[in-house]
Amino acid sequence: KNQVEQSPQSLIILEGKNCTLQCNYTVSPFSNLRWYKQDTGRGPVSLTIMTFSENTKSNGRYTATLDADTKQSSLHITASQLSDSASYICVVVPFSGGYNKLIFGAGTRLAVHP
Amino acid sequence: SQTIHQWPATLVQPVGSPLSLECTVEGTSNPNLYWYRQAAGRGLQLLFYSVGIGQISSEVPQNLSASRPQDRQFILSSKKLLLSDSGFYLCAWRPTDRGIPNSPLHFGNGTRLTVT
Repeated sequence: KNQVEQSPQSLIILEGKNCTLQCNYTVSPFSNLRWYKQDTGRGPVSLTIMTFSENTKSNGRYTATLDADTKQSSLHITASQLSDSASYICVVVPFSGGYNKLIFGAGTRLAVHP
Repeated sequence: SQTIHQWPATLVQPVGSPLSLECTVEGTSNPNLYWYRQAAGRGLQLLFYSVGIGQISSEVPQNLSASRPQDRQFILSSKKLLLSDSGFYLCAWRPTDRGIPNSPLHFGNGTRLTVT
């Protein structure tokens, strides 16, 4: 069964610190892997998109990495800000079925404290 | 630029009452449209998607239905709500597959539905 597992479930860090969120998936083959940020009570917003052949993708202070051999992805947040407090969702687009068969992780809830 | 509007933001409805959630997209044509439900601690679940007017695909059997009466309008409905229909409903769009490859899904800000 295709799955996307995220860890940790929740995380608290101090403002200015770095953190790394993990995503393990069993979807194979896949077309691309995405990270979304979801503020409380809002819709998710795309942060990064990586195809299966890419290893890393940055968007400002957010850097996503992908290891297709181990089926792991991570999202690294540098110099965290209070506005980074949100849920971060890992999404895998399977090769078969494509965008109508997206597989979403349950998300990591990040709280940045002053 | 493209925008997506979803309303209402919150809704409290009694069991057995009807439901109508609306989603509209501006600034694009012939988008693929999606309805998702998000439960606490779980990943988003695809409910319906549409690749064109009147074309609806259902992903899970449920008490809900969807319609696309216009190119950029997507409606989620129910004739009689159940307690289990409570949740956070998200509408999303993306360009058609002949458009930008690997384009992201663009989500609305959701509707928090509470069935009492």
